Amino acid sequence: AQTVTQSQPEMSVQEAETVTLSCTYDTSESDYYLFWYKQPPSRQMILVIRQEAYKQQNATENRFSVNFQKAAKSFSLKISDSQLGDAAMYFCARWAGNMLTFGGGTRLMVKP
Amino acid sequence: GAVVSQHPSWVICKSGTSVKIECRSLDFQATTMFWYRQFPKQSLMLMATSNEGSKATYEQGVEKDKFLINHASLTLSTLTVTSAHPEDSSFYICSARGTGGPLNTGELFFGEGSRLTVL
Repeated sequence: AQTVTQSQPEMSVQEAETVTLSCTYDTSESDYYLFWYKQPPSRQMILVIRQEAYKQQNATENRFSVNFQKAAKSFSLKISDSQLGDAAMYFCARWAGNMLTFGGGTRLMVKP
Repeated sequence: GAVVSQHPSWVICKSGTSVKIECRSLDFQATTMFWYRQFPKQSLMLMATSNEGSKATYEQGVEKDKFLINHASLTLSTLTVTSAHPEDSSFYICSARGTGGPLNTGELFFGEGSRLTVL
């Protein structure tokens, strides 16, 4: 089975500090997309950032950036200047073969 | 961004009854919709993929006769949990994908989710 793995069930960061969430994936597809989604307590899935596999440049969205290592099949999320509102579940996901597969999630706690 | 609306957001029903959950794409045509199930503190598990006008494709282990999915139009898909039992209690989330333009990048747009409690 083609999987997405998040090895950190929980992470904690001090407000204003930087935190990195890890994700590795497996795929046999040559064309695929990678995503990080945020799920706050409201349970609404919110897209944080997207990376096209064919692009070498790492995606960046304001305080959020990724480290995409295609050969290693690694896709980590860095959150800079962490804010209290960043506290949520974060899911790494891979789109390939007309299917979006999620990792197990990482619960991020932000300490004031 | 594109909007997907899911209704109801919360439903309680008695064991043995059927419950229908609607998923609508409000400002785009969703050729493909996906239904996920999420247990507490767990990830989203894909239940089925539905394409407009055709039968849904169910993931292994998902009972197609229990979870009826209809995608009769480009803006509406429904999930009906038939003869619901307490073990069907869960959080159900739909998502939609359009075609063409910026939507054709694999990005899915998610509904708000529906919490089903079967007594």
